[in-house]
Amino acid sequence: QVTLRESSPALVKPTQTLTLTCTFSGFSLSSSGMCVSWIRQPPGKALEWLALIDWDGDKYYNTSLKTRLTIFRDTSKNQVVLTMTNMDPVDTATYYCARTTASRGDSFYSDFWGQGTLVTVSS
Amino acid sequence: SYELTQPPSVSVSPGQTASITCSGDKLGDKFACWYQQKPGQSPVLVIYESGERPSGIPERFSGSSSGNTATLTIRATQAMDEADYYCQVWDGNTVVFGGGTKLTVL
Repeated sequence: QVTLRESSPALVKPTQTLTLTCTFSGFSLSSSGMCVSWIRQPPGKALEWLALIDWDGDKYYNTSLKTRLTIFRDTSKNQVVLTMTNMDPVDTATYYCARTTASRGDSFYSDFWGQGTLVTVSS
Repeated sequence: SYELTQPPSVSVSPGQTASITCSGDKLGDKFACWYQQKPGQSPVLVIYESGERPSGIPERFSGSSSGNTATLTIRATQAMDEADYYCQVWDGNTVVFGGGTKLTVL
């Protein structure tokens, strides 16, 4: 049974750094084709992909946010962490982590999602 | 950067067929997937690799792709299918989502 759970502070102040932790079970991030993604959704708006780390440890980032994001994994703890610097009120959103499966060279789809964590940016 | 365009809204009567489109440059050459999201819930994968259905997804959901368009089709639409739907592709080194389509069943 695959599960993912996000954890983070519910409230961060502008200019602070947000640290999001995804704790997962039911799969190995070291197995070929396994990845973990971070996706966010501002209230009432669309999904926005942020970052992905794959089974080889390769990292991919949203081009527009790349300078603010860092993704890394702790395979011993089954965790993937995303940090986002210089937080702003426009970053208020529900942040999701998801298991992403890579197959056939260029097929990437997120087949299991966490419940999401709402992060509010406010002073 | 690669962009995917979806209609903001689609309406369908119960029992009829709903089609939701997703447009992007040479989208038919990529593998599209589709997510369903109901209010207050996490997205659920309903179609992957353009036309494959995950376990547990009803057969009335299907997907196709050709040219610059991918299409999610829901046959015999039910009230429970009312939700937001998002298309998504891998663009070589980034994941790209469409802007989402709100499906209304009325």
